[in-house]
Amino acid sequence: RKEVEQDPGPFNVPEGATVAFNCTYSNSASQSFFWYRQDCRKEPKLLMSVYSSGNEDGRFTAQLNRASQYISLLIRDSKLSDSATYLCVVNIGTPLVFGKGTRLSVIA
Amino acid sequence: DAGITQSPRYKITETGRQVTLMCHQTWSHSYMFWYRQDLGHGLRLIYYSAAADITDKGEVPDGYVVSRSKTENFPLTLESATRSQTSVYFCASSDAGGPDTQYFGPGTRLTVL
Repeated sequence: RKEVEQDPGPFNVPEGATVAFNCTYSNSASQSFFWYRQDCRKEPKLLMSVYSSGNEDGRFTAQLNRASQYISLLIRDSKLSDSATYLCVVNIGTPLVFGKGTRLSVIA
Repeated sequence: DAGITQSPRYKITETGRQVTLMCHQTWSHSYMFWYRQDLGHGLRLIYYSAAADITDKGEVPDGYVVSRSKTENFPLTLESATRSQTSVYFCASSDAGGPDTQYFGPGTRLTVL
């Protein structure tokens, strides 16, 4: 079983839609969790950390379920500029473990 | 300018040639990393370094050599390039106090003919 698994997508959604991605991880000793965003032909950048109590940053909400070993990312009111690949990242000690990413395409 | 830079940004070389990709960061971060990214594989760790003169293999180290004589530089050398090493290479760095957040360079697009 891979350490971090994501649905590769693509998720094609209209502007204004709400979309959610899940990511599962295999190592129960994982310490911290993140979502990175990668635009086409660009480097990955940290989008947000994922806290046990769940956290929100504007239209983005991240949640962690340690019992089921998954994290989620919810994007509300999708914008065209949200089109990107979203990487699930798990920290089980350096180095970080990156998922392969979920591709989101927001359509006008 | 502060940040993490990579050079060259684009490189075309031939099979069998030696190629060195450069990575430079100005934050004095302890950790530095080299990844390659290919369609269908996501980011794969090649090598990483916890400090100057300390390096460790990642998931796909074969065919690559690294060194870290200075904290700010982490060059990656392909000793004898092969077509399978055609890829986009990303360098990243993170602070020892906060290894969680990795900052990536803009990438080097390498083509081996």
